[in-house]
Amino acid sequence: KAGVTQTPRYLIKTRGQQVTLSCSPISGHRSVSWYQQTPGQGLQFLFEYFSETQRNKGNFPGRFSGRQFSNSRSEMNVSTLELGDSALYLCASSFGLDWATEAFFGQGTRLTVV
Amino acid sequence: AQKVTQAQTEISVVEKEDVTLDCVYETRDTTYYLFWYKQPPSGELVFLIRRNSFDEQNEISGRYSWNFQKSTSSFNFTITASQVVDSAVYFCALSEARTGANNLFFGTGTRLTVIP
Repeated sequence: KAGVTQTPRYLIKTRGQQVTLSCSPISGHRSVSWYQQTPGQGLQFLFEYFSETQRNKGNFPGRFSGRQFSNSRSEMNVSTLELGDSALYLCASSFGLDWATEAFFGQGTRLTVV
Repeated sequence: AQKVTQAQTEISVVEKEDVTLDCVYETRDTTYYLFWYKQPPSGELVFLIRRNSFDEQNEISGRYSWNFQKSTSSFNFTITASQVVDSAVYFCALSEARTGANNLFFGTGTRLTVIP
C-alpha cells in the first residue's frame, strides 16, 4: 500500500511569509503527527491530530498550527516565517490512538526560509 | 521529564564488523514505548522496532538485535556483520502513555558510517 505522502518536498519562502505543508497518511490511518527536524534542536514533536481533532501539542509558538480533514489528510501552517523555521518537517501516520500502533513517516518537506 | 540520550554522535566501522548503538532513556511513566528509527539520506524515518515497557525480552530480526534493560534504562541496538547499506542516522525514541503514544521524544541520533 502507498506510504505517507508529503507535499511539497522542497520549499523556499521569505521571512514574514506563511506556508502550508500537506500530509496524506497511509490509507486507513487516522492519526497524523508532525515533527520538526533541525540540526540544532533535532527532532521535535509539533502536534498530533486524530479524527480532525488536535490531541497533543508540542512546545511551539502559536505561529505553528495544523488541521486534519475528514479523509485524515493533514496540513500544517506556519505564519510569519522566521529564519529559524528552516527545517525538515516530517509527518507520521498511525492507525489510531491505541498505543500499540506504530508510526510511519513520510519523506518530509524541506523548508528553507531566506 | 522524559529524555532520550544517544551518547554516540558518530560511529564508523568497516564492513562486516558488528556495531552497537547505545540508547539511554528517562521517564517517570511506568507505561511507555521505545523505538528505533533509521534515517537514510533521503530523509524519511524508517521504523525498525517498537518495544513496550512491560516486555524486556530481547529481539532479533535478521542482522539486527535489540537489548532492552529496564534496570539500566537502556535500549541498545546491535547490527551484526554491518553492510554499506546500513550507513544512516539512527534514532532512538520514547513515547509515554501519559503524554500520548504518538508523541515521540527522540534522541539526537547516531550517524553510522560503514566503510567498504
